[in-house]
Amino acid sequence: GAVVSQHPSWVICKSGTSVKIECRSLDFQATTMFWYRQFPKQSLMLMATSNEGSKATYEQGVEKDKFLINHASLTLSTLTVTSAHPEDSSFYICSAISSGRNTDTQYFGPGTRLTVL
Amino acid sequence: GESVGLHLPTLSVQEGDNSIINCAYSNSASDYFIWYKQESGKGPQFIIDIRSNMDKRQGQRVTVLLNKTVKHLSLQIAATQPGDSAVYFCAENGGSNYKLTFGKGTLLTVNP
Repeated sequence: GAVVSQHPSWVICKSGTSVKIECRSLDFQATTMFWYRQFPKQSLMLMATSNEGSKATYEQGVEKDKFLINHASLTLSTLTVTSAHPEDSSFYICSAISSGRNTDTQYFGPGTRLTVL
Repeated sequence: GESVGLHLPTLSVQEGDNSIINCAYSNSASDYFIWYKQESGKGPQFIIDIRSNMDKRQGQRVTVLLNKTVKHLSLQIAATQPGDSAVYFCAENGGSNYKLTFGKGTLLTVNP
């Protein structure tokens, strides 16, 4: 149990376009999801906390108008990278907390590799 | 700011040896710590966790040790196997809000 999926697993887009990444909790309800970004050979950096039915909370330095987060249901959060540029190329990872389990445990998705040309 | 860091960025061991990966944390408010394993191109995989009211916790082939006095965390892997080759991250919760702060990571390479 506690499986989190992401779609797509990888995406290549042109500079200036927008890309949507989905994060789904497959077998549990997630009131809270997190979005991380990971550059090559670096650690995971938290971008934002996504709460079902409310606005996301962004970490310092993360542009909320560029990284749009929507958490419309208890099993789905989406991250849209708007007007993507090459510097946005990264590995985007989501995680979810199960409302019915140990709320300290985050279950991670497999990640989405974004390449902006 | 406070952060979680690692002493060793890389660790190379022989198959069958025991591995020890270390982590230093500085946020004294943290009361929950987790070790994750990340293979290339994949998301982090939960290995083991420990709360601050414990100093040791054992899993299958893995042991986490917590020394709150010196704010140090370690992951011990017994009889390391080639499949254990990955980057290992420690993470702390900062005491609240479910948010995790990740350390820099240690690349473990197991030589056959």
